[in-house]
Amino acid sequence: DTAVSQTPKYLVTQMGNDKSIKCEQNLGHDTMYWYKQDSKKFLKIMFSYNNKELIINETVPNRFSPKSPDKAHLNLHINSLELGDSAVYFCASSQVRTEAFFGQGTRLTVV
Amino acid sequence: GIQVEQSPPDLILQEGANSTLRCNFSDSVNNLQWFHQNPWGQLINLFYIPSGTKQNGRLSATTVATERYSLLYISSSQTTDSGVYFCAVFPGGSEKLVFGKGTKLTVNP
Repeated sequence: DTAVSQTPKYLVTQMGNDKSIKCEQNLGHDTMYWYKQDSKKFLKIMFSYNNKELIINETVPNRFSPKSPDKAHLNLHINSLELGDSAVYFCASSQVRTEAFFGQGTRLTVV
Repeated sequence: GIQVEQSPPDLILQEGANSTLRCNFSDSVNNLQWFHQNPWGQLINLFYIPSGTKQNGRLSATTVATERYSLLYISSSQTTDSGVYFCAVFPGGSEKLVFGKGTKLTVNP
C-alpha cells in the first residue's frame, strides 16, 4: 500500500509538448511538495501546498503549473516542454515541518 | 537561506567496513532527516531525527541541534548500502525541506 504514489514513472516526450505528472498520498498529510532532481542529483523544491493552498513557489518558470484538487493530490502540469526540463521529479508529503515521505519519482526525458 | 553541507561527497568502502557521514547546517532547524537514494532512484527514509540518537539495525544517527550537525553511522557495510545519502532539514519557521548535496557511497564486495 504505497504511501506517496506518482505516475507515470517514466515519461519521454518531444520538445514543445505539454505533459502532466500525478501524485497522490494516503498518509493524511496536509502538505505536499514537488521537487526536481537534476543530473548532479541535487534535490530542489519547486512548489509546496498546504491544504490545497500554494505556500511555496521557488521561481519556477510559469510553464510549470501545480494543481491540488484536494489535500491528497498534487499534480504537476508542464507546458511547452524544453530540453532543460529533463530531470527526475519527486512528489512528497508531510505534516507541517515534520517527517516527509517521497514518491518513487518520475523520470522525464525531453527529446 | 540555510546552507546544508554534507561530507564526504564520495566514499568507497570494502564490504564489512564502517563509515560516518556528516551533515552540517548553518542555522537552527525544526527537523532533520536522513534519506538513502538507492541505485534505482528511490528515496528511502532512514531517520527522522531533530535531536538525539536513534538506531535501526546497522545504521544509527545522532543530531546535535545546538551545534548544528548530524552524523549517520553505517556499520558492517553491505553492497546494498550503495547509493546516495541525503541529509535534509526544515529551517526554523520554513515550510521548505532543504537538501544537502549528498554523499555517494560505493560498497565493493
